[in-house]
Amino acid sequence: DGGITQSPKYLFRKEGQNVTLSCEQNLNHDAMYWYRQDPGQGLRLIYYSQIVNDFQKGDIAEGYSVSREKKESFPLTVTSAQKNPTAFYLCASSTAATDTQYFGPGTRLTVL
Amino acid sequence: AQSVSQHNHHVILSEAASLELGCNYSYGGTVNLFWYVQYPGQHLQLLLKYFSGDPLVKGIKGFEAEFIKSKFSFNLRKPSVQWSDTAEYFCAVNAPYNQGGKLIFGQGTELSVKP
Repeated sequence: DGGITQSPKYLFRKEGQNVTLSCEQNLNHDAMYWYRQDPGQGLRLIYYSQIVNDFQKGDIAEGYSVSREKKESFPLTVTSAQKNPTAFYLCASSTAATDTQYFGPGTRLTVL
Repeated sequence: AQSVSQHNHHVILSEAASLELGCNYSYGGTVNLFWYVQYPGQHLQLLLKYFSGDPLVKGIKGFEAEFIKSKFSFNLRKPSVQWSDTAEYFCAVNAPYNQGGKLIFGQGTELSVKP
């Protein structure tokens, strides 16, 4: 099955710890995106990447980091510098041919 | 600044009622327009999209949306809702792919349909 997978579905961490969220796609899409979803605020862009080894900051990149070493993978690290990390994180991918983003199932991160 | 505004945060309807969810956007260039839906416990799914051509676009599950350029609007409609349409609906715009393709979302509208 083609698609986007995110793991884990639920993640709990203690305050002050870095945590990495996984996003993998087998759609052969060039571009990948990370969004954060908070109640009543829609989705906000954290980082995006259109080619391997290159990525750009989105609207709320502070306290986050990413890497894009492989086309299929775009992991997101939530660092201890992120002031309010508890949220639902969604990964998406797209290609120039369709210019449409498709989303993974999301990871709900709770920082205790 | 680029932005998307959805008029209603929470809409409650009875089954068979008609639905219209408002969406207005502010963007200085060519845009693509989208409606996504998030059913309880499920992925964010594409409902429909408009890139160009006929401003009335049809999507899945009987939904349609009309792009009115002069009003910067892209309202979502369905003539008769069902209980299974209970979900959160997001309007979004993006810059073309060669400009980054970033999506800008509205705040979302939660739709509750009473059986």
